[in-house]
Amino acid sequence: AQSVTQLGSHVSVSEGALVLLRCNYSSSVPPYLFWYVQYPNQGLQLLLKYTSAATLVKGINGFEAEFKKSETSFHLTKPSAHMSDAAEYFCAVSSINTGTASKLTFGTGTRLQVTL
Amino acid sequence: EADIYQTPRYLVIGTGKKITLECSQTMGHDKMYWYQQDPGMELHLIHYSYGVNSTEKGDLSSESTVSRIRTEHFPLTLESARPSHTSQYLCASSDRGYNSPLHFGNGTRLTVT
Repeated sequence: AQSVTQLGSHVSVSEGALVLLRCNYSSSVPPYLFWYVQYPNQGLQLLLKYTSAATLVKGINGFEAEFKKSETSFHLTKPSAHMSDAAEYFCAVSSINTGTASKLTFGTGTRLQVTL
Repeated sequence: EADIYQTPRYLVIGTGKKITLECSQTMGHDKMYWYQQDPGMELHLIHYSYGVNSTEKGDLSSESTVSRIRTEHFPLTLESARPSHTSQYLCASSDRGYNSPLHFGNGTRLTVT
């Protein structure tokens, strides 16, 4: 079984401040990990993914995430927040499942608010 | 750029009506998925398909049904809508491979009155 926990349903930062969104996972096999972003009235868009290559993964819009196996974490960071970063962020885990279709398990999401 | 299309974007319908939510993708992906999303909750997988004529139920039990007659098309049907079906429905597709990311449509927000 696999699961994802996102700490903090709402995070508020000032424009220009560091963004840190937390994600911890549980998986019985080596995981594939993803961060998605959802803007209002839109579907989810892939930010970045970890697939057992480099532990520090760089994504779009200046975001990056670091895979830490010892902490079972995959936190998302951005050095300097921009107003356009305000959105809902979802962490997800996938693993090889029986059958040919892998399935993503999503966290409950973190809403990021950016203030002036 | 959206290569996966969902229609309608918004639907308000009365109890007992039959509805079909459309989903089409132009990327030639084998795998397609339907997720249900409620505010403040994680996305729940309700149906998936890994090719034509193959469909499976997801982790969340749903009264909806799906079909996959063509690679690009994965419609979801509710035979008799109820207020408990009010939610956002997201369609997604992915390429082969366990680490292939999902491409999402913009969703259909369904309200059953």
